[in-house]
Amino acid sequence: EPEVTQTPSHQVTQMGQEVILRCVPISNHLYFYWYRQILGQKVEFLVSFYNNEISEKSEIFDDQFSVERPDGSNFTLKIRSTKLEDSAMYFCASKYTGADTQYFGPGTRLTVL
Amino acid sequence: KQEVTQIPAALSVPEGENLVLNCSFTDSAIYNLQWFRQDPGKGLTSLLLIQSSQREQTSGRLNASLDKSSGRSTLYIAASQPGDSATYLCAVLNTGTASKLTFGTGTRLQVTL
Repeated sequence: EPEVTQTPSHQVTQMGQEVILRCVPISNHLYFYWYRQILGQKVEFLVSFYNNEISEKSEIFDDQFSVERPDGSNFTLKIRSTKLEDSAMYFCASKYTGADTQYFGPGTRLTVL
Repeated sequence: KQEVTQIPAALSVPEGENLVLNCSFTDSAIYNLQWFRQDPGKGLTSLLLIQSSQREQTSGRLNASLDKSSGRSTLYIAASQPGDSATYLCAVLNTGTASKLTFGTGTRLQVTL
């Protein structure tokens, strides 16, 4: 069964450094999402992406964040200058056109020191 | 602003018991509601999705109901097994948004032998 994959599974970085989290959505899906879950808290929506542009973003998704679909298979989340409070599990999700179910990847655990 | 709450926060039951997990939401203008399972350190697995026009959905030993007007959903698990041990999350998709899932706090289920 097709799955959303994410790399790396765990990323450790120093405060102020840039990080890029990578996702490979399910191949025929055209809607892409990033969510995050700070330890012990709810899963929170960050951004949705369709047709090469952001369709919706939350107040968390400020100028430090950006998303990109650099090729036909990858979807990336970049954090320009990481803060301690960016430490969280980041989940990528994708969805097929006309369907409602979002399929989630296994997540990348980001630790900012 | 949509708020989603789940009770109980944690539940421990012996194998074989039937159980009910509860989810409540404050804004009844939803498009659909999804139940997910999250294993420790892992991603989210979609279990059931109920459209706002539906009352319930079933998949194997799982049955989810939706009462949109009262802002409630339940997930019924029949004949629980140790493999059902996980955190269960509900998430709603509001009308007026194309993509943003709002998640609940989760119920951590432990099924003991």
